[in-house]
Amino acid sequence: GQQLNQSPQSMFIQEGEDVSMNCTSSSIFNTWLWYKQDPGEGPVLLIALYKAGELTSNGRLTAQFGITRKDSFLNISASIPSDVGIYFCAGLAGGTSYGKLTFGQGTILTVHP
Amino acid sequence: AAGVIQSPRHLIKEKRETATLKCYPIPRHDTVYWYQQGPGQDPQFLISFYEKMQSDKGSIPDRFSAQQFSDYHSELNMSSLELGDSALYFCASSLGGSQPQHFGDGTRLSIL
Repeated sequence: GQQLNQSPQSMFIQEGEDVSMNCTSSSIFNTWLWYKQDPGEGPVLLIALYKAGELTSNGRLTAQFGITRKDSFLNISASIPSDVGIYFCAGLAGGTSYGKLTFGQGTILTVHP
Repeated sequence: AAGVIQSPRHLIKEKRETATLKCYPIPRHDTVYWYQQGPGQDPQFLISFYEKMQSDKGSIPDRFSAQQFSDYHSELNMSSLELGDSALYFCASSLGGSQPQHFGDGTRLSIL
């Protein structure tokens, strides 16, 4: 089945630093989504990307939909302690997988004050 | 803004018992999805419904069934529970299958 490879698995950074994480796939996705999950809570949608090459920002977050439709990255600028959590990429393939999200393995982000 | 509501938030059952999880989607959302997330893992798709009809099926055990009702809420029914069913179960909803999914806070199911 489809798989998303997300890296890095974890990051330890100082407050104020920028962060970058990415996802790659052997399959094409029509939509890329980035979620943040805090312990004991559900994933919260951060950014949605719909077109190859699309670059979208949401405050300090910027994400891009790769030209090949097989990858995406998320950047967080000037990190703050509340950025701590697990970040997941997710892809929506369409076709017979209509609606089904495939998730990456997640990136655990720790921010030291 | 109203979010996806799941109940109960926590559920403790014993092996071979049954459980029913409920999901109330965001108003006007017509599509609901169920995911299972084990400790330290990413969410795994179980099943989805669009306009009360099953639209896609993932790695959902035969012991589990689900449906979407006329008011668009959904229930996941789990029978003959096993220790390995202990996990977080999330429901998500969207407006159609191509729009972003919004997740509830999940039900933590513990099997003793």
